[in-house]
Amino acid sequence: EAGVTQFPSHSVIEKGQTVTLRCDPISGHDNLYWYRRVMGKEIKFLLHFVKESKQDESGMPNNRFLAERTGGTYSTLKVQPAELEDSGVYFCASSQKGITQYFGPGTRLTVL
Amino acid sequence: AQSVTQLDSQVPVFEEAPVELRCNYSSSVSVYLFWYVQYPNQGLQLLLKYLSGSTLVESINGFEAEFNKSQTSFHLRKPSVHISDTAEYFCAVSGWSQGGSEKLVFGKGTKLTVNP
Repeated sequence: EAGVTQFPSHSVIEKGQTVTLRCDPISGHDNLYWYRRVMGKEIKFLLHFVKESKQDESGMPNNRFLAERTGGTYSTLKVQPAELEDSGVYFCASSQKGITQYFGPGTRLTVL
Repeated sequence: AQSVTQLDSQVPVFEEAPVELRCNYSSSVSVYLFWYVQYPNQGLQLLLKYLSGSTLVESINGFEAEFNKSQTSFHLRKPSVHISDTAEYFCAVSGWSQGGSEKLVFGKGTKLTVNP
């Protein structure tokens, strides 16, 4: 069984540009989560999808971040326009019943 | 609101020595507790979890953690570490929130370095 995959693994962009991160959850997992770790800080929750619906987006930092999960399969997280403080590692996780979450390898975003 | 405290940011030990990584949590609701591990240049992997039942849980690679409700702790232990255990370890807690989301709240992580 394939695990959670994320693309790209690394992204380097300039301030003001747009970046889109993708997450493919484990097949059959209705719950999908996004987290972020800014350097030196703890891993923080961004949002939670149940199928295609946003269950909880209380962790989204501001309206420059847009997450979608059309069709309830893969999810994208778009940052537009990117700022320096958006740099960090973005993790995606999925869960079948919403208890045990399995994480992907993460996308390291660097904003210059 | 839930929170997790990992008091030690770095723990250096020698190979074959015992180790304990400390984790304390606070929560007003019943919780699930997790330890995740991130090996160098890899993603987060689930190491072990406490959902219910026996308060002592074990991983396949020799780690164990004990849920202590009275002390609100979930410390991670291994009696004899290997070089390959060098990694960053994260304690996390989840519980039902008002929004119905089972989001994880993480500690800041503990970097375990095993030296020869």
